[in-house]
Amino acid sequence: DAGVTQSPTHLIKTRGQQVTLRCSPKSGHDTVSWYQQALGQGPQFIFQYYEEEERQRGNFPDRFSGHQFPNYSSELNVNALLLGDSALYLCASIYQTDTGELFFGEGSRLTVL
Amino acid sequence: AQKITQTQPGMFVQEKEAVTLDCTYDTSDPSYGLFWYKQPSSGEMIFLIYQGSYDQQNATEGRYSLNFQKARKSANLVISASQLGDSAMYFCAMREGMGGSYIPTFGRGTSLIVHP
Repeated sequence: DAGVTQSPTHLIKTRGQQVTLRCSPKSGHDTVSWYQQALGQGPQFIFQYYEEEERQRGNFPDRFSGHQFPNYSSELNVNALLLGDSALYLCASIYQTDTGELFFGEGSRLTVL
Repeated sequence: AQKITQTQPGMFVQEKEAVTLDCTYDTSDPSYGLFWYKQPSSGEMIFLIYQGSYDQQNATEGRYSLNFQKARKSANLVISASQLGDSAMYFCAMREGMGGSYIPTFGRGTSLIVHP
């Protein structure tokens, strides 16, 4: 049973560029959340997708956008990259259980130069 | 105000000893869930244990137990018989409300180092 998979694992971009990160949820999971984790910090919620729509959004600018596909996989897009966007981007999937346990991927580490 | 507070940036423990990682939370919602996750250097967040606000007993999962003190709003993680592989970052998180969109808020984490 494959867990949450993310790609790419590492990438380097320059300021002003755009990046797309991808996530495949755990089998049977229909909800995907994206988190940004800066060095030395806890994960910060970016947004959540369910039934191909953004259901909830954290305190992130519109430069951060996403998409969910019919197979529940998801993309995170970041436009006009800033140095401060350098972080580990984590994808988590959920099956609507009564606990809400998140299953995370290993993340995509983005470095903006 | 911080919803989740982890006051220990780093903890050291000797192998085979027990260690307690502190977590306090702040919510006015009577229904909430508390989680602990482990993050090794690989980056993946691994779910360890869950405690619901209405659960009467402290949660346990193998060597992990959650010391839930509702009146004090604390949810400390206890790791018994520490192993070298327990060295990692540990995050406490809280989800407010039941059902819905499951958006937990995370603390800043505690780094645990287990030495032989």
